[in-house]
Amino acid sequence: GNSVTQMEGPVTLSEEAFLTINCTYTATGYPSLFWYVQYPGEGLQLLLKATKADDKGSNKGFEATYRKETTSFHLEKGSVQVSDSAVYFCALSYNFNKFYFGSGTKLNVKP
Amino acid sequence: SAVISQKPSRDICQRGTSLTIQCQVDSQVTMMFWYRQQPGQSLTLIATANQGSEATYESGFVIDKFPISRPNLTFSTLTVSNLSPEDSSIYLCSVIVGVSSEQYFGPGTRLTVT
Repeated sequence: GNSVTQMEGPVTLSEEAFLTINCTYTATGYPSLFWYVQYPGEGLQLLLKATKADDKGSNKGFEATYRKETTSFHLEKGSVQVSDSAVYFCALSYNFNKFYFGSGTKLNVKP
Repeated sequence: SAVISQKPSRDICQRGTSLTIQCQVDSQVTMMFWYRQQPGQSLTLIATANQGSEATYESGFVIDKFPISRPNLTFSTLTVSNLSPEDSSIYLCSVIVGVSSEQYFGPGTRLTVT
């Protein structure tokens, strides 16, 4: 079946540290991959996406590359800020029809 | 883009009662989804609601417990019936719009069952 596995949190970093949140997936065929972010007290927002192998999604300094050979879509940011504190969800979808979400990774950034 | 509103934003309900959650979108959309997000956990898809047809439920979710209406292309309701404390969750609706097929989420309805 289809599933998404994320690294467990919480992840605690100091401001300006490098961030990696691991995401791997199990799927048949060629799904699209997504990262969503949920800031405290808010709804989910799309952060970035990649629709085919080797695509790189990027937004707000975050990046993730669709790696079919390792079935991964790790989220990275070179220098995190306190305002990046949130819960990050990795997800996959076929034809933008049904989405499968990972369990979420909470990021705490300390000043 | 799409702007989605949900009502109520939160509610506290007694065991055995029901709660109906409304989802309103500012544009016409074909597909609407209802998710449940239990405390500290990920999103679980309850059902897909297409206008003019019966909702499609995911494994573990049944129509008797989670009846859904989709009377038009901008509105849907989810009812959580015969409430138990295990139903305490955040319920979210979402839609997919545009040529980029981007998914937008409502702000959620936080349900507490006592």
